[in-house]
Amino acid sequence: NAGVTQTPKFQVLKTGQSMTLQCAQDMNHNSMYWYRQDPGMGLRLIYYSASEGTTDKGEVPNGYNVSRLNKREFSLRLESAAPSQTSVYFCASTQGNQETQYFGPGTRLLVL
Amino acid sequence: AQSVTQLDSHVSVSEGTPVLLRCNYSSSYSPSLFWYVQHPNKGLQLLLKYTSAATLVKGINGFEAEFKKSETSFHLTKPSAHMSDAAEYFCVVSDPRGTALIFGKGTTLSVSS
Repeated sequence: NAGVTQTPKFQVLKTGQSMTLQCAQDMNHNSMYWYRQDPGMGLRLIYYSASEGTTDKGEVPNGYNVSRLNKREFSLRLESAAPSQTSVYFCASTQGNQETQYFGPGTRLLVL
Repeated sequence: AQSVTQLDSHVSVSEGTPVLLRCNYSSSYSPSLFWYVQHPNKGLQLLLKYTSAATLVKGINGFEAEFKKSETSFHLTKPSAHMSDAAEYFCVVSDPRGTALIFGKGTTLSVSS
């Protein structure tokens, strides 16, 4: 059982480059999330998708876009990367409100 | 607004001694509360969850937490620390709609032999 998978595991970008982080879950969950983790900050919500076809901003959405491609997949796009976006990005999924969120292994992004 | 405060950024214990990681929350409703653990360079794993059933919640690996509404606390405890418990621990509260999680800033637990 793969759970939540993320690709790539590690990426180095130059300022201004674009990239898409991929996330997929095989648990038939309705809701999916993107978080970023920075030292001493915990995890902060970037965007979430409560169900297929819907997306909403979280706490720190600026500089990011998302696509809920289907029920399984939820991608995060950086159109023009900035050094401030250097972080570890986690995707998560859950069946519904108040339920446990399951996390992927993370993507380490370094923007030079 | 909902928030979570982890009172210690770093806790150090000796192997075999008790662990206490403190968490206070602020919420205007009955929240769901979670503790997650993150081992170095790994993803997050659920330790335990409180959802308004029993106030004492037992989790994996011998951890437990007690929900105290009067103190707005949800402290994590373990009677006897093991070296493998060294990790970062996050106290988490669900937002009012239950659609997203609000994380504390984390507590790093160090265990010495």
